Amino acid sequence: GAVVSQHPSWVICKSGTSVKIECRSLDFQATTMFWYRQFPKQSLMLMATSNEGSKATYEQGVEKDKFLINHASLTLSTLTVTSAHPEDSSFYICSASNLAGGEDTQYFGPGTRLTVL
Amino acid sequence: AQSVTQLGSHVSVSEGALVLLRCNYSSSVPPYLFWYVQYPNQGLQLLLKYTSAATLVKGINGFEAEFKKSETSFHLTKPSAHMSDAAEYFCAVSDRDDKIIFGKGTRLHILP
Repeated sequence: GAVVSQHPSWVICKSGTSVKIECRSLDFQATTMFWYRQFPKQSLMLMATSNEGSKATYEQGVEKDKFLINHASLTLSTLTVTSAHPEDSSFYICSASNLAGGEDTQYFGPGTRLTVL
Repeated sequence: AQSVTQLGSHVSVSEGALVLLRCNYSSSVPPYLFWYVQYPNQGLQLLLKYTSAATLVKGINGFEAEFKKSETSFHLTKPSAHMSDAAEYFCAVSDRDDKIIFGKGTRLHILP
């Protein structure tokens, strides 16, 4: 099956710094990538949808200036948490799909655990 | 608006017993329905999905789910639980715009 990777798998940073998380589709072209956030013992919440070459579409309540998403190529999307604060600590998961190619299955990455001190 | 309700945040079954995880959905259009499994500190793995073909969907690891429109349900079952099935299970719904809405999850505990 299709493989999606995330890097890093975990990161610890100081409050006020920015952190970039990468999401890569390893063996297929991901025309669409999704970013989710998962709080401890809770479900996943969709943060934003990004299509290659376009601006991301953010869900209601998600600060687009805080969570910068770039989808510059068909195999890479990045999520940058700017000026991170402890409340941004969470598990971030991306998923990728090739919607333009008629494949509607989303393939999920392994997640990135962010801890902001 | 679409939504998913998973009954029971924790379910415990004995090894070898039937696994039944309940999911009810709300959707204004014929939905796509999914079950995902999440092992500790890992991402999601797709167990199975329903996309308006057969109402009984077979997935990986011996799991299956049945779409019942009259009950707006998509319950997940497995005839015989294994210790390795212990994980968090998420039911999810999506309409054709590809946004997936997840339920709150059910943690499955397997008793020896």
